[in-house]
Amino acid sequence: EAGVAQSPRYKIIEKRQSVAFWCNPISGHATLYWYQQILGQGPKLLIQFQNNGVVDDSQLPKDRFSAERLKGVDSTLKIQPAKLEDSAVYLCASSSSRDAYNSPLHFGNGTRLTVT
Amino acid sequence: DAKTTQPNSMESNEEEPVHLPCNHSTISGTDYIHWYRQLPSQGPEYVIHGLTSNVNNRMASLAIAEDRKSSTLILHRATLRDAAVYYCILRGGFGNEKLTFGTGTRLTIIP
Repeated sequence: EAGVAQSPRYKIIEKRQSVAFWCNPISGHATLYWYQQILGQGPKLLIQFQNNGVVDDSQLPKDRFSAERLKGVDSTLKIQPAKLEDSAVYLCASSSSRDAYNSPLHFGNGTRLTVT
Repeated sequence: DAKTTQPNSMESNEEEPVHLPCNHSTISGTDYIHWYRQLPSQGPEYVIHGLTSNVNNRMASLAIAEDRKSSTLILHRATLRDAAVYYCILRGGFGNEKLTFGTGTRLTIIP
């Protein structure tokens, strides 16, 4: 099966600019996650979708970050305006909803964002 | 979220078994023990998970202590491709299935 697709692979922007990341999950996976991974740390969950509804966005900085999952398939994560501390790898993952706590997450290779 | 404790780093010789420990003394009865690994420049990859019994798959084995307060991921014959950061994560059930990563164990394989 095709894996989780993310684009772009790399992005460099200046602070206060905006940026968007795209994710296409594995076909049929109802649950989609966005994680932020700062260098030297483990990934941190930003937002979790079940189909096109938000399940958990408690760690999403809502003043500058937004995410949507229209039609319950693809998703975009946006940052506006970016800050230096947003430099990180943004990972998208998906999983089957069936028996959620037993279903492994499948991750994409992420988008590396550098804010200068 | 229940916490796990792992060594920051470990080294192992190529073609030898590797035992990666994880302590989770505050684990609850509904928490599953999940292991993921992250190779350089890649997203995390699922390795194995279990609840109470030891588990085996093509990648690794998971040995879970009888009191469930610790577990060990076993790579039976390490190769250079197993060099990665390994994360031990507790994942709850019944609406608490969020996957919360710690800092993991960086495994170095010595040729």
